[in-house]
Amino acid sequence: EVQLVESGGDLVQPRRALTLSCAASGFTFDNYAMHWVRQVPGKGLEWVSGISWDSRSIGYADSVKGRFTISRDNARDSLYLQMNSLQPEDTALYFCTRSTEWLFYFDNWGRGTLVTVSS
Amino acid sequence: DIQMTQSPSTLSASVGDRVTITCRASQSISTWLAWYQQKPGKAPKLLIFGASTLQNGVPSRFSGSGSGSEFTLTISSLQPDDFATYYCHQYNSYSQAFGQGTKVEIK
Repeated sequence: EVQLVESGGDLVQPRRALTLSCAASGFTFDNYAMHWVRQVPGKGLEWVSGISWDSRSIGYADSVKGRFTISRDNARDSLYLQMNSLQPEDTALYFCTRSTEWLFYFDNWGRGTLVTVSS
Repeated sequence: DIQMTQSPSTLSASVGDRVTITCRASQSISTWLAWYQQKPGKAPKLLIFGASTLQNGVPSRFSGSGSGSEFTLTISSLQPDDFATYYCHQYNSYSQAFGQGTKVEIK
């Protein structure tokens, strides 16, 4: 069974940093591109960042470019999101998701980890 | 960037109704479009990809159509389990984007 389990969400003050992790199991991790998608509670979905299986293709939404860094460790079947200079508008539930190709649909999702940015 | 516009934002319907949700792209995306269903407190679930291909395990009452810039998701006979929010997602370009969502409510 495919499982994506996010962790690392927390309450943090503005301008601070936080790192999210996603532990993958039940599939061959390095056969898939991985992504982070976020959702403000009660609102819609926003693609945040994605990384190809070999880390050679990486992309960010304009709203996080220059502040967030995505990475992966295929030996550990893990995906990460380093978030710097956090702002209140980054408050959201962050989902880890996968796709079979770099630009493709998301066929499995984690349950999300909540990031709250507030003083 | 390609913008996705869904309509309606909210839809009230009864069990057994035929329901149609529309998604429009600000420019052509061929058939690089997916549909997801999300229930409160849950992760989104993939329903359709490639505009019209049903994901394994999704009931056949769901169908998708369209190409270019206009797409539809149809539920042929709404079931109690279908009351949820539906999102379209374009993956044609680097700046992939979701529609704002359509909430299907009980009438």
